[in-house]
Amino acid sequence: NAGVTQTPKFQVLKTGQSMTLQCAQDMNHEYMSWYRQDPGMGLRLIHYSVGAGITDQGEVPNGYNVSRSTTEDFPLRLLSAAPSQTSVYFCAIKGVAGGAGELFFGEGSRLTVL
Amino acid sequence: AQRVTQPEKLLSVFKGAPVELKCNYSYSGSPELFWYVQYSRQRLQLLLRHISRESIKGFTADLNKGETSFHLKKPFAQEEDSAMYYCALGAGTASKLTFGTGTRLQVTL
Repeated sequence: NAGVTQTPKFQVLKTGQSMTLQCAQDMNHEYMSWYRQDPGMGLRLIHYSVGAGITDQGEVPNGYNVSRSTTEDFPLRLLSAAPSQTSVYFCAIKGVAGGAGELFFGEGSRLTVL
Repeated sequence: AQRVTQPEKLLSVFKGAPVELKCNYSYSGSPELFWYVQYSRQRLQLLLRHISRESIKGFTADLNKGETSFHLKKPFAQEEDSAMYYCALGAGTASKLTFGTGTRLQVTL
């Protein structure tokens, strides 16, 4: 039982390139989300999903795209990478879509955009 | 809009000294507050939540609605407490957590 698996762990991109960060879970949790972590900024919510076929924007959605075709997967797409997207990205899941509950985090994906 | 403020980027204490990590929030409704911790080379994980009123690893946190605070406390710091601590606010359904900027706790001998 891996919980939340993120790939890749590290990635270097050139400005303008596109890529997808993968998030997979084996806990059958409804809620999945993507955060970015930047020094002095804490964690900021990019996009989230309360179930398959349902996604919504968080605090900083610009430049990112998501989809949720299955319960298990929630990929984050960078359409045209910019240096401002250099960050550490975390996928986090929760058992129920609403109400207080524990967020389970992945190990993070460190992205550098040159 | 909700906001979480952690005023200290770094808190350095000696082993055995008391610890207080400050967290203030802004939210007009009924908040749900959490503390998450990230140890070196480990995933971010839940430390405690206000509704549980529990003590985890010797840490406690009390929600003070009058002062809109949820400070994290421990009477005697241990070396293994050194980590990054994030205060988080859940509003409404609490699915969307708003995190503070984090405080790095450094416990030295």
